[in-house]
Amino acid sequence: EAGVVQSPRYKIIEKKQPVAFWCNPISGHNTLYWYRQNLGQGPELLIRYENEEAVDDSQLPKDRFSAERLKGVDSTLKIQPAELGDSAVYLCASSLSEPGANVLTFGAGSRLTVL
Amino acid sequence: ILNVEQSPQSLHVQEGDSTNFTCSFPSSNFYALHWYRWETAKSPEALFVMTLNGDEKKKGRISATLNTKEGYSYLYIKGSQPEDSATYLCAFISSGSARQLTFGSGTQLTVLP
Repeated sequence: EAGVVQSPRYKIIEKKQPVAFWCNPISGHNTLYWYRQNLGQGPELLIRYENEEAVDDSQLPKDRFSAERLKGVDSTLKIQPAELGDSAVYLCASSLSEPGANVLTFGAGSRLTVL
Repeated sequence: ILNVEQSPQSLHVQEGDSTNFTCSFPSSNFYALHWYRWETAKSPEALFVMTLNGDEKKKGRISATLNTKEGYSYLYIKGSQPEDSATYLCAFISSGSARQLTFGSGTQLTVLP
């Protein structure tokens, strides 16, 4: 079974440019998460979907970040315009249902460098 | 934002040493605690799911305990090997209608041959 697939693995852009990350979760997983991980810190939740509904986006910087999960399967996270402080690893994860007894399965991450 | 703390932040041990680290979390509204291992250039992988006070879980040389009343979990590695080198993350899941999962900042373990 394929795991959580993310692309691109690496992206280098100049500030003020847009960037988009794509995630395809494990088949049958209803819950999808986008995390941002800065060096030396734990993953910080940006948004969590239950099927196609965003149930927790309280820490998503909505002025420049947007996300969608059409049809409740794959998802896209966009940043426009990117700032220097957005350099981080963006992790996508999925689980069968809401967090609890169900563990998260992570993708390999997308490392963003903003110059 | 829930406060989940891990200590130490980093740790260097010699091959064969046993080691342990701590995850501290709120003692109220506990639902579950996860432990993950994140090796460099790989994806984080789940180690344990812990739900009951007093839980002890074991996988090979790695084990974990849980104390929900005082809000901490220990992860133990017996006879550390270089392949155990990784960042170990704990994640606290709160109870309630909208369960939140909050990660600690991790403990980075380096096992020296």
